[in-house]
Amino acid sequence: EVQLVESGGGLVKPGGSLRLSCVASGFTFSDAWMSWVRQTPGKGLEWVGRIKRKGDGGKTEYAAPVKGRFTISRDDSKNTVYLHMNSLKIEDTAMFYCTRSKGSYEIDYWGQGTLVTVSS
Amino acid sequence: DIQMTQSPSTLSASVGDRVTITCRASQNIVSWLAWYQQKPGMAPELLIYKASSLESGVPSRFSGSGSGTEFTLTISSLQPADFATYYCLQYHTYWTFGQGTKVEIK
Repeated sequence: EVQLVESGGGLVKPGGSLRLSCVASGFTFSDAWMSWVRQTPGKGLEWVGRIKRKGDGGKTEYAAPVKGRFTISRDDSKNTVYLHMNSLKIEDTAMFYCTRSKGSYEIDYWGQGTLVTVSS
Repeated sequence: DIQMTQSPSTLSASVGDRVTITCRASQNIVSWLAWYQQKPGMAPELLIYKASSLESGVPSRFSGSGSGTEFTLTISSLQPADFATYYCLQYHTYWTFGQGTKVEIK
Protein backbone atom coordinates (compact mmCIF):
# COMPACT_ATOMS: atom_id res chain seq x y z
CA GLU A 1 0.00 0.00 0.00
CA VAL A 2 1.36 3.40 -1.01
CA GLN A 3 1.73 5.78 1.93
CA LEU A 4 2.99 9.35 2.04
CA VAL A 5 3.37 10.88 5.49
CA GLU A 6 4.14 14.58 5.81
CA SER A 7 5.52 16.36 8.85
CA GLY A 8 7.09 19.67 9.80
CA GLY A 9 4.18 22.04 9.50
CA GLY A 10 3.42 24.66 12.11
CA LEU A 11 3.22 28.35 12.91
CA VAL A 12 5.96 30.60 11.59
CA LYS A 13 6.37 34.37 11.39
CA PRO A 14 6.52 36.23 8.08
CA GLY A 15 10.06 36.10 6.71
CA GLY A 16 10.75 32.87 8.56
CA SER A 17 11.72 29.43 7.33
CA LEU A 18 10.34 25.93 7.64
CA ARG A 19 11.24 22.49 6.35
CA LEU A 20 8.58 19.95 5.51
CA SER A 21 9.35 16.25 5.18
CA CYS A 22 7.48 13.44 3.47
CA VAL A 23 8.31 9.81 4.13
CA ALA A 24 7.13 7.39 1.46
CA SER A 25 6.48 3.67 1.58
CA GLY A 26 4.80 0.97 -0.47
CA PHE A 27 6.57 1.70 -3.76
CA THR A 28 10.05 2.13 -5.23
CA PHE A 29 10.69 5.70 -4.13
CA SER A 30 13.75 6.20 -6.33
CA ASP A 31 11.60 5.57 -9.43
CA ALA A 32 9.05 8.27 -8.59
CA TRP A 33 8.69 11.94 -9.36
CA MET A 34 7.63 13.65 -6.15
CA SER A 35 5.80 16.93 -5.81
CA TRP A 36 4.30 19.31 -3.32
CA VAL A 37 0.82 20.77 -3.77
CA ARG A 38 -0.78 23.29 -1.44
CA GLN A 39 -4.39 24.12 -0.75
CA THR A 40 -6.04 27.21 0.67
CA PRO A 41 -9.74 27.97 1.01
CA GLY A 42 -9.35 31.02 -1.17
CA LYS A 43 -7.09 29.80 -3.97
CA GLY A 44 -7.90 26.11 -4.05
CA LEU A 45 -5.24 23.61 -5.11
CA GLU A 46 -1.92 24.95 -6.35
CA TRP A 47 1.10 23.01 -7.57
CA VAL A 48 4.22 24.18 -5.69
CA GLY A 49 7.03 22.24 -7.31
CA ARG A 50 8.45 18.83 -8.13
CA ILE A 51 11.61 16.80 -8.23
CA LYS A 52 12.28 14.22 -10.89
CA ARG A 53 13.84 10.85 -10.19
CA LYS A 54 17.60 10.68 -10.56
CA GLY A 55 17.20 8.57 -13.69
CA ASP A 56 15.49 11.57 -15.31
CA GLY A 57 18.19 13.97 -14.10
CA GLY A 58 16.83 14.71 -10.63
CA LYS A 59 15.87 18.21 -11.79
CA THR A 60 13.55 20.45 -9.76
CA GLU A 61 10.85 22.74 -11.13
CA TYR A 62 8.80 25.33 -9.27
CA ALA A 63 5.65 27.39 -9.64
CA ALA A 64 6.24 31.12 -10.12
CA PRO A 65 4.91 32.25 -6.69
CA VAL A 66 7.53 30.18 -4.83
CA LYS A 67 10.49 30.16 -7.22
CA GLY A 68 13.61 31.43 -5.48
CA ARG A 69 12.09 30.94 -2.01
CA PHE A 70 11.27 27.22 -1.90
CA THR A 71 13.60 24.30 -2.59
CA ILE A 72 12.70 20.64 -3.02
CA SER A 73 15.23 17.90 -2.34
CA ARG A 74 15.13 14.14 -1.92
CA ASP A 75 17.03 11.43 -0.09
CA ASP A 76 16.36 8.14 -1.84
CA SER A 77 18.19 6.23 0.92
CA LYS A 78 15.54 7.46 3.38
CA ASN A 79 12.56 7.39 1.00
CA THR A 80 12.06 11.03 1.90
CA VAL A 81 11.35 14.22 0.00
CA TYR A 82 11.74 17.66 1.56
CA LEU A 83 10.33 21.11 0.98
CA HIS A 84 12.56 23.87 2.28
CA MET A 85 10.63 27.14 2.56
CA ASN A 86 12.37 30.47 3.09
CA SER A 87 11.14 34.08 3.20
CA LEU A 88 7.66 32.87 4.06
CA LYS A 89 4.75 35.19 3.40
CA ILE A 90 1.27 35.33 4.93
CA GLU A 91 -0.11 34.12 1.62
CA ASP A 92 1.92 30.90 1.92
CA THR A 93 -0.46 29.79 4.66
CA ALA A 94 -1.91 26.52 3.41
CA MET A 95 -2.23 22.80 3.80
CA PHE A 96 0.78 21.27 2.05
CA TYR A 97 0.41 17.87 0.42
CA CYS A 98 3.19 15.54 -0.67
CA THR A 99 2.26 13.76 -3.89
CA ARG A 100 3.57 11.08 -6.22
CA SER A 101 3.23 10.96 -9.97
CA LYS A 102 4.25 8.65 -12.76
CA GLY A 103 6.76 10.97 -14.34
CA SER A 104 5.17 14.13 -15.67
CA TYR A 105 1.79 12.46 -15.75
CA GLU A 106 -1.10 12.66 -13.31
CA ILE A 107 -0.70 12.71 -9.54
CA ASP A 108 -1.81 9.27 -8.38
CA TYR A 109 -1.19 9.41 -4.61
CA TRP A 110 -1.45 12.13 -2.00
CA GLY A 111 -0.37 12.33 1.62
CA GLN A 112 -2.76 13.59 4.28
CA GLY A 113 -1.13 16.99 4.39
CA THR A 114 0.63 19.21 6.93
CA LEU A 115 -0.63 22.67 7.82
CA VAL A 116 1.64 25.69 7.51
CA THR A 117 0.46 28.94 9.07
CA VAL A 118 2.40 32.14 8.45
CA SER A 119 1.35 34.81 10.92
CA SER A 120 2.86 37.40 13.20
CA ASP B 1 0.70 29.28 -18.19
CA ILE B 2 -2.29 27.06 -18.88
CA GLN B 3 -5.44 28.16 -17.04
CA MET B 4 -8.24 25.75 -16.15
CA THR B 5 -11.80 27.02 -15.82
CA GLN B 6 -14.11 24.64 -14.03
CA SER B 7 -17.89 24.97 -13.86
CA PRO B 8 -20.16 25.14 -12.04
CA SER B 9 -18.53 26.10 -8.75
CA THR B 10 -21.42 24.56 -6.83
CA LEU B 11 -23.97 22.01 -7.94
CA SER B 12 -27.06 20.94 -5.99
CA ALA B 13 -28.33 17.47 -6.82
CA SER B 14 -30.26 14.53 -5.45
CA VAL B 15 -29.34 10.88 -5.06
CA GLY B 16 -29.87 9.15 -8.41
CA ASP B 17 -29.30 12.32 -10.49
CA ARG B 18 -26.95 12.41 -13.48
CA VAL B 19 -24.32 15.05 -12.82
CA THR B 20 -21.91 16.73 -15.25
CA ILE B 21 -18.94 18.95 -14.41
CA THR B 22 -16.95 20.81 -17.05
CA CYS B 23 -13.34 21.93 -17.29
CA ARG B 24 -12.03 24.19 -20.02
CA ALA B 25 -8.34 24.67 -20.73
CA SER B 26 -6.90 27.95 -22.01
CA GLN B 27 -5.00 26.01 -24.68
CA ASN B 28 -4.92 22.56 -26.22
CA ILE B 29 -3.91 19.97 -23.63
CA VAL B 30 -4.70 16.96 -25.85
CA SER B 31 -5.99 14.40 -23.30
CA TRP B 32 -3.66 15.23 -20.43
CA LEU B 33 -6.39 15.78 -17.87
CA ALA B 34 -7.28 14.11 -14.59
CA TRP B 35 -10.22 14.35 -12.20
CA TYR B 36 -10.08 14.11 -8.41
CA GLN B 37 -12.62 13.81 -5.62
CA GLN B 38 -11.99 15.44 -2.26
CA LYS B 39 -14.05 15.00 0.90
CA PRO B 40 -13.79 17.39 3.87
CA GLY B 41 -10.61 16.93 5.88
CA MET B 42 -9.21 14.43 3.38
CA ALA B 43 -6.69 14.52 0.56
CA PRO B 44 -7.93 14.40 -3.04
CA GLU B 45 -8.27 10.99 -4.67
CA LEU B 46 -7.72 10.18 -8.34
CA LEU B 47 -10.85 9.21 -10.28
CA ILE B 48 -10.00 9.64 -13.96
CA TYR B 49 -6.72 10.10 -15.85
CA LYS B 50 -5.89 10.80 -19.46
CA ALA B 51 -9.33 12.39 -19.78
CA SER B 52 -11.31 9.16 -19.87
CA SER B 53 -9.41 6.33 -18.17
CA LEU B 54 -10.99 5.11 -14.94
CA GLU B 55 -8.55 4.65 -12.06
CA SER B 56 -8.54 1.16 -10.59
CA GLY B 57 -11.13 0.74 -7.84
CA VAL B 58 -13.25 3.74 -8.86
CA PRO B 59 -16.94 2.93 -9.43
CA SER B 60 -18.05 2.74 -13.05
CA ARG B 61 -20.71 5.42 -12.49
CA PHE B 62 -17.83 7.90 -12.91
CA SER B 63 -16.74 8.66 -16.47
CA GLY B 64 -14.68 11.29 -18.22
CA SER B 65 -14.69 12.59 -21.75
CA GLY B 66 -13.25 15.31 -23.94
CA SER B 67 -10.02 16.33 -25.59
CA GLY B 68 -8.27 19.50 -26.63
CA THR B 69 -9.72 22.24 -24.46
CA GLU B 70 -13.06 20.94 -23.20
CA PHE B 71 -13.57 18.08 -20.77
CA THR B 72 -16.40 16.66 -18.69
CA LEU B 73 -16.74 14.46 -15.64
CA THR B 74 -20.06 12.64 -15.43
CA ILE B 75 -21.55 10.76 -12.51
CA SER B 76 -24.30 8.63 -14.02
CA SER B 77 -26.33 8.11 -10.84
CA LEU B 78 -25.27 10.17 -7.84
CA GLN B 79 -24.76 8.18 -4.64
CA PRO B 80 -24.55 9.47 -1.03
CA ALA B 81 -20.76 8.89 -1.03
CA ASP B 82 -20.39 11.18 -4.04
CA PHE B 83 -21.25 14.42 -2.25
CA ALA B 84 -17.81 16.01 -2.30
CA THR B 85 -15.70 18.54 -4.18
CA TYR B 86 -14.28 17.65 -7.57
CA TYR B 87 -11.19 19.09 -9.23
CA CYS B 88 -9.68 18.79 -12.67
CA LEU B 89 -5.93 18.84 -13.25
CA GLN B 90 -4.10 19.50 -16.51
CA TYR B 91 -0.67 17.91 -16.83
CA HIS B 92 0.22 18.90 -20.38
CA THR B 93 2.58 21.64 -19.14
CA TYR B 94 3.45 21.44 -15.49
CA TRP B 95 0.26 21.13 -13.47
CA THR B 96 -2.74 23.42 -13.06
CA PHE B 97 -5.91 22.65 -11.14
CA GLY B 98 -9.42 23.85 -11.77
CA GLN B 99 -11.09 25.87 -9.02
CA GLY B 100 -13.27 22.97 -7.91
CA THR B 101 -16.96 22.01 -8.02
CA LYS B 102 -18.77 21.30 -4.78
CA VAL B 103 -21.55 18.76 -5.24
CA GLU B 104 -24.07 19.24 -2.45
CA ILE B 105 -27.36 17.69 -1.46
CA LYS B 106 -30.39 19.37 -2.99
